[in-house]
Amino acid sequence: DAKTTQPNSMESNEEEPVHLPCNHSTISGTDYIHWYRQLPSQGPEYVIHGLTSNVNNRMASLAIAEDRKSSTLILHRATLRDAAVYYCILAKRSSNTGKLIFGQGTTLQVKP
Amino acid sequence: DADVTQTPRNRITKTGKRIMLECSQTKGHDRMYWYRQDPGLGLRLIYYSFDVKDINKGEISDGYSVSRQAQAKFSLSLESAIPNQTALYFCATSDFSQGWDTQYFGPGTRLTVL
Repeated sequence: DAKTTQPNSMESNEEEPVHLPCNHSTISGTDYIHWYRQLPSQGPEYVIHGLTSNVNNRMASLAIAEDRKSSTLILHRATLRDAAVYYCILAKRSSNTGKLIFGQGTTLQVKP
Repeated sequence: DADVTQTPRNRITKTGKRIMLECSQTKGHDRMYWYRQDPGLGLRLIYYSFDVKDINKGEISDGYSVSRQAQAKFSLSLESAIPNQTALYFCATSDFSQGWDTQYFGPGTRLTVL
């Protein structure tokens, strides 16, 4: 399974954009890039996923490098509620296991 | 009401005891998973099930067993609990109908083995 590398922690100010990087240099052509986040004392929740093109949803945007060896999760205006651990995960569509491999993620602190 | 529920939410037990953690879901998903999380670490997959008759081991299944009693219910058992099984346990479900395995997690069960 291809691995991802994320910074251990990042800080942001409230109402400012946040760019969370993820490196996945060994990504294969069938790997989709997924982001989940885990708020304190909660289970992880899905944020966004993509393959090659940039993606937007109500929670965030996902920018994927042209060579797909890295990606960036963008929170356009961080709020205190966005303080969480963010996980970048590679998973194959129609996976015969469905399993997600969680790394240590990036702990995001949001300052008021 | 929550779509994925776990009981109990907290449990303290002693070494050697048998423990069952239960997970129920109302999302109608076929796939269900059990993960554990240790402090400072990500989640690790214990078991997963694609339907009632399909059970598969994950990365760290030793010391655990599971039962898929119905589409909506997936239980995790520790046959003889030991202290290093102290962890936060999460159940998850996913809907594969669109080819994606977006997973939906329960609130977790905090298990302490003394």
